[in-house]
Amino acid sequence: SQQGEEDPQALSIQEGENATMNCSYKTSINNLQWYRQNSGRGLVHLILIRSNEREKHSGRLRVTLDTSKKSSSLLITASRAADTASYFCATAYYGNNRLAFGKGNQVVVIP
Amino acid sequence: DGGITQSPKYLFRKEGQNVTLSCEQNLNHDAMYWYRQDPGQGLRLIYYSQIVNDFQKGDIAEGYSVSREKKESFPLTVTSAQKNPTAFYLCASSPERAGLSTDTQYFGPGTRLTVL
Repeated sequence: SQQGEEDPQALSIQEGENATMNCSYKTSINNLQWYRQNSGRGLVHLILIRSNEREKHSGRLRVTLDTSKKSSSLLITASRAADTASYFCATAYYGNNRLAFGKGNQVVVIP
Repeated sequence: DGGITQSPKYLFRKEGQNVTLSCEQNLNHDAMYWYRQDPGQGLRLIYYSQIVNDFQKGDIAEGYSVSREKKESFPLTVTSAQKNPTAFYLCASSPERAGLSTDTQYFGPGTRLTVL
């Protein structure tokens, strides 16, 4: 199955800085979602962006979607130590009632 | 409290044994999913169910079995045929109905299975 791929795989930043992660996919999607996973825990849904949307905000999160490049980015502004986690993108394809997850992007925010 | 629960949190199995992982949700969601996560990896879909008494294989169904007798419950059995079962198992649910695009999934806390 086709999966989103995040880039970069690991990111280490200072508290207060912004963190940006990218995700690419291969074919037309219905929507793209971002999830966060703290170590040893389940995933938590952060934001969903539909194929007809280009940008979406939720608190300190900003997600963009470029369907022509088949890519999405997640920006976390003014990062906090509590943002330390793995972040996954997941794509939903038309006619396919399942999500395809990327391998995740580990973010470490240093206090 | 509405949510999705998994039990046990940690599970140890001897080689050759079958074990069953529990997943329960009280969100009234139609769809439920089982994923496997290996260290440093993404999630791989094992099985999913969009309606009671029906389920479909995911990408790595071999060595696993499921049932969906009730809307709230979707247990996963890891059989002795699964050659490398040590992993973190995640259950999820979604309000979607069959035929519609996949929407947000809500995850349980996971079960860590170790084969001794």
